[in-house]
Amino acid sequence: ETGVTQSPTHLIKTRGQQVTLRCSSQSGHNTVSWYQQALGQGPQFIFQYYREEENGRGNFPPRFSGLQFPNYSSELNVNALELDDSALYLCASSSLADQETQYFGPGTRLLVL
Amino acid sequence: AQKVTQAQTEISVVEKEDVTLDCVYETRDTTYYLFWYKQPPSGELVFLIRRNSFDEQNEISGRYSWNFQKSTSSFNFTITASQVVDSAVYFCALSETNTGANSKLTFGKGITLSVRP
Repeated sequence: ETGVTQSPTHLIKTRGQQVTLRCSSQSGHNTVSWYQQALGQGPQFIFQYYREEENGRGNFPPRFSGLQFPNYSSELNVNALELDDSALYLCASSSLADQETQYFGPGTRLLVL
Repeated sequence: AQKVTQAQTEISVVEKEDVTLDCVYETRDTTYYLFWYKQPPSGELVFLIRRNSFDEQNEISGRYSWNFQKSTSSFNFTITASQVVDSAVYFCALSETNTGANSKLTFGKGITLSVRP
C-alpha cells in the first residue's frame, strides 16, 4: 500500500451535477496530482498542486478545479458533469526528496448518468 | 509533445513463461524519466521502476528486468517465469522536467497481461 487514500470509492451522479472527490496524500508528501482514466485507456493528467497552488495543468476545461490544504490533502471538483466524465479518478502524491516518483491511491470510480 | 506507445494491447501466457512488454516513447527533452506501473483489477497503480534519461544500465529485480535503449527510444519490461499474480494491466509512462509541473506523467494505453495456470 502507498498510504494514499481516496474517497469515496464509487460515485454515481447525473449529468449537470457537481462532484467533489477527496485525496489524502502519503505522509511527508507535499505534491499531489490528479489523473482521469477512462475505461481501457491510460491515465490522463488533470493538474498538480504544490504548496496549495496549482502547479501545472493538462488539457482539461475550467470546470475541473482543485484545492490542496495545509495538511496536503486535496480535492478535485468537477462542475456541470457530462457523460464523458465517467472514469476512474486517480490521485498521486510525491515528496520533495523524490518529486519525480508518484505514488497512486486506489481511485474513485465516477459514473455519470 | 511527449508520447508513449505500447503497441501490444493484450498478451496471454501460460504460467512460467517469460514475457516482454514493449514501450516506445517520444520526447524532445534531453532530461526525462521513464516509469512502469502495474494496475491490478483493484485499480490502484503500483509503482515498479523509474529510470532517468542518463542511466541506460539495464536493471534486474527478482523476476523483473528492464531494458532501456535511448537509441531506439524504448524501455521494455520482461517478466521471467511469469505467475498468475502477474496478471494485470501494465503502463509505461514518461515525465519531462520542463512542463511546469514537478512531474506530469504521460502514460501509454497499457498492456493487459493474462497469466494462465
